[in-house]
Amino acid sequence: QKEVEQNSGPLSVPEGAIASLNCTYSDRGSQSFFWYRQYSGKSPELIMSIYSNGDKEDGRFTAQLNKASQYVSLLIRDSQPSDSATYLCAADLTSGTYKYIFGTGTRLKVLA
Amino acid sequence: SAVISQKPSRDICQRGTSLTIQCQVDSQVTMMFWYRQQPGQSLTLIATANQGSEATYESGFVIDKFPISRPNLTFSTLTVSNMSPEDSSIYLCSVGPTPGQGTYEQYFGPGTRLTVT
Repeated sequence: QKEVEQNSGPLSVPEGAIASLNCTYSDRGSQSFFWYRQYSGKSPELIMSIYSNGDKEDGRFTAQLNKASQYVSLLIRDSQPSDSATYLCAADLTSGTYKYIFGTGTRLKVLA
Repeated sequence: SAVISQKPSRDICQRGTSLTIQCQVDSQVTMMFWYRQQPGQSLTLIATANQGSEATYESGFVIDKFPISRPNLTFSTLTVSNMSPEDSSIYLCSVGPTPGQGTYEQYFGPGTRLTVT
């Protein structure tokens, strides 16, 4: 059974620090990976997508993908209290399709 | 990205009844999906809503329980039939990109919070 695994947290970081969120996936055939942010009571909001090995930066966010080790990470620089949310990692169920499998999410707390 | 709305935003229903959830997009989209997020859990894909044909259901989900309509490229409905308390969840629709563009990103609607008593 295909799985995406995340540490549920909470991960607590002080304001201004770097938050590092990690995700592993079981299907070596997965090619597309996504990070979503979900505030309590709200729907998931797409933060980053990554398809190739290496780093992808967008503002304070950097996604990292290592297909050989089957892990994806999300770094949040200069963390703010407004970043406090649950971060969901997702991978494509079947390579090249639009069907996702989600991890259970990591709850991030940024302490002011 | 497309603007997605869902109706109702929340509802409380009695067991044995059915609820139809609507998903409206402000532009034509090829790919639409329905997900469920049970309390404290992550998202699980229910089905792909196909325009002009039957929905494609994932393992564990059946058409009799979750009938889906997709009459055009901007609208879809999900019905939760013969509800039980175990159906209490947030139901989300999502839209994907036009196939062949080389991206696979999905965007979610605001969700429908369903409580079955």
